[in-house]
Amino acid sequence: EVQLVESGGGVVQPGGSLRLSCAASGFTFSSYWMHWVRQDPGKGLVWVSRTDENGRTTDYADSVKGRFTISRDNAKNTLYLQMNSLRAEDTAVYYCARGGTTGFQWGQGTLVTVSS
Amino acid sequence: EIVLTQSPGTLSLSPGERATLSCRASQSVNSNYLAWFQQRPGQAPRLLIYGASNRATGIPDRFSGSGSGTDFTLSISRLEPEDFAVYHCQQYGSIPYTFGQGTKLEIK
Repeated sequence: EVQLVESGGGVVQPGGSLRLSCAASGFTFSSYWMHWVRQDPGKGLVWVSRTDENGRTTDYADSVKGRFTISRDNAKNTLYLQMNSLRAEDTAVYYCARGGTTGFQWGQGTLVTVSS
Repeated sequence: EIVLTQSPGTLSLSPGERATLSCRASQSVNSNYLAWFQQRPGQAPRLLIYGASNRATGIPDRFSGSGSGTDFTLSISRLEPEDFAVYHCQQYGSIPYTFGQGTKLEIK
C-alpha cells in the first residue's frame, strides 16, 4: 500500500522559510516522479512542483519559481520542499503525491500558515 | 496552461440516483491524461479515475469515467451516502498540471 506522510508544516512570518518533508513507503520510491500540490483553505488544488526519479529534472509553477526548491533523497525514501521568501498567499495545505501515468496517489497533507 | 472547467458547481441529488459530472479543457489533454479525485471534508484527495476511463485500485464499479480530447465525464451510477463529497478533475499531460475548481455533490 502506498503511504506518503508529510511533515514540517507550521506558522511562519512573511519572508520566512520552511522545509517540508514527505516520507514514502509501500512502493519503489526511486522509480517514480514525485510532486507537491497545495490547497488554499476552502479552495481548489494547485500543482506546485515536480521532480523526476533521480532528482535531476525539476519543474515549478510560476507562482513559486525562484522561491521554492524540490529535492529528494532516494536512500531515505524522502521528498522535500524548501520554501523561502514565504508570502501570505502561500498559506495552504501542502500535499506530496506520487506521479505516473496511473494518476496521483496522495499523502494526508501538512498545513503551512504564513502570518505575522 | 490548460484551464479545466467543471460543471455544475454544485449538484444536489438523492441516494440511489445517478450523478453526471463534467470537466471541459481549454485545449486537448495529451494522451487523455485526465484524472478524477474525490475529496471528503478534512481529508486528502482520493484517486478514482486515471487516463480518463480507468478505475483506480479499490474503486467501486459504480464510478466510471469517459471522454477524450477536451470533454470528460465522471458518472456515479447509484449514489451511496459516502459518495457525497467534492470531486476534482486534473490534467497531467502537460506542465503545469492543472485542476478544475471542483463540483460539490450534496444530498438533496
